[in-house]
Amino acid sequence: DAKTTQPTSMDCAEGRAANLPCNHSTISGNEYVYWYRQIHSQGPQYIIHGLKNNETNEMASLIITEDRKSSTLILPHATLRDTAVYYCIVRTANFGNEKLTFGTGTRLTIIP
Amino acid sequence: GAVVSQHPSWVICKSGTSVKIECRSLDFQATTMFWYRQFPKQSLMLMATSNEGSKATYEQGVEKDKFLINHASLTLSTLTVTSAHPEDSSFYICSASVDKNYGYTFGSGTRLTVV
Repeated sequence: DAKTTQPTSMDCAEGRAANLPCNHSTISGNEYVYWYRQIHSQGPQYIIHGLKNNETNEMASLIITEDRKSSTLILPHATLRDTAVYYCIVRTANFGNEKLTFGTGTRLTIIP
Repeated sequence: GAVVSQHPSWVICKSGTSVKIECRSLDFQATTMFWYRQFPKQSLMLMATSNEGSKATYEQGVEKDKFLINHASLTLSTLTVTSAHPEDSSFYICSASVDKNYGYTFGSGTRLTVV
């Protein structure tokens, strides 16, 4: 898996959009960008993933740069329950025995 | 959506005893499951890849005789921590791949405390 770089921590005011950046400058053409989050003492939760195009679902939006070397996860209206560690991971879509490798992630704190 | 059920949620055991953790895929079949360990304030570290009907693949530095993995069916993988010691106290998490539209789903984790 290609390596990702994320800021260690970020704060965001409740109700505002939280923008979490991720650098993946060595990403390969067949590698997807995945985002997971982990709330304290729970298993990671899938948020969103994408290859080239921007993606949106009920949880978040994913903006991938044209050169695919970086991406941004956007939580449009952050709530206190969004406080968690957010992990950006790149990997191929060859599901089965391909493992997910977690980096250190970004600890997002939503401020009331 | 795809759900992975992990039990127990927490367990306390005495040094020298063994503890079994179960990971079940509830509404899908998982030929491959993954076991992670997470120490406080650290990221998830992959321990092993569990393959249904065959031997698990362990990451470098993980003792296969200490962390026994069995994946006897398409919906169940177990991790047994044998002869547990206090340094084995950690948060253990299992995961399974679903499909390319869903990604990987994770269990809720098991907090093991060895006293």
